[in-house]
Amino acid sequence: AQSVTQLDSQVPVFEEAPVELRCNYSSSVSVYLFWYVQYPNQGLQLLLKYLSGSTLVKGINGFEAEFNKSQTSFHLRKPSVHISDTAEYFCAVSGGAAGNKLTFGGGTRVLVKP
Amino acid sequence: DVKVTQSSRYLVKRTGEKVFLECVQDMDHENMFWYRQDPGLGLRLIYFSYDVKMKEKGDIPEGYSVSREKKERFSLILESASTNQTSMYLCASSSTSRSGANVLTFGAGSRLTVL
Repeated sequence: AQSVTQLDSQVPVFEEAPVELRCNYSSSVSVYLFWYVQYPNQGLQLLLKYLSGSTLVKGINGFEAEFNKSQTSFHLRKPSVHISDTAEYFCAVSGGAAGNKLTFGGGTRVLVKP
Repeated sequence: DVKVTQSSRYLVKRTGEKVFLECVQDMDHENMFWYRQDPGLGLRLIYFSYDVKMKEKGDIPEGYSVSREKKERFSLILESASTNQTSMYLCASSSTSRSGANVLTFGAGSRLTVL
């Protein structure tokens, strides 16, 4: 079965500082990778996705992620965060034996401080 | 611009009650999903459906059932609610993708408290 590990449950960061959220997955076959964001009291929305091609993926709100097949990682980065980036971020994987089912990591809560 | 609507944002029920959580999508998506979200555990798939009247168990189906009588509506049913079902429930939908690259659209969530 596929699994997704988000290594940090909480990441405090100062406004305008860079942030990196780590995500590792386990799968022996090709997969599709996603980052979703959940703002307070809202559902999840897609930040970015990796399906194929370039390993550097750009998403909304200045976020980007890099797919590293050898390290089975898909870390999310933003060079300069805003207060409005305070949210919970989820890494997810689909494909392979799981087919269309999406498996999520435990989430990383980002708190941006002024 | 609402695309996936969950009928109740907050519910409080008593142990043993039957609970219905309703979800409607207006994007003509074939696939619909129910997840529960708990702190530190992320989202866990309860049930999903690829077509009308079709359902498949997810990773944690025990204590739940679902109904999909119409394409746009997917209901989650707790036959006899228990306190360990206190959680946030998220509905999602997606169009069919042969590649497995599902992009889910989520509702705002239903927070259920079972007393």
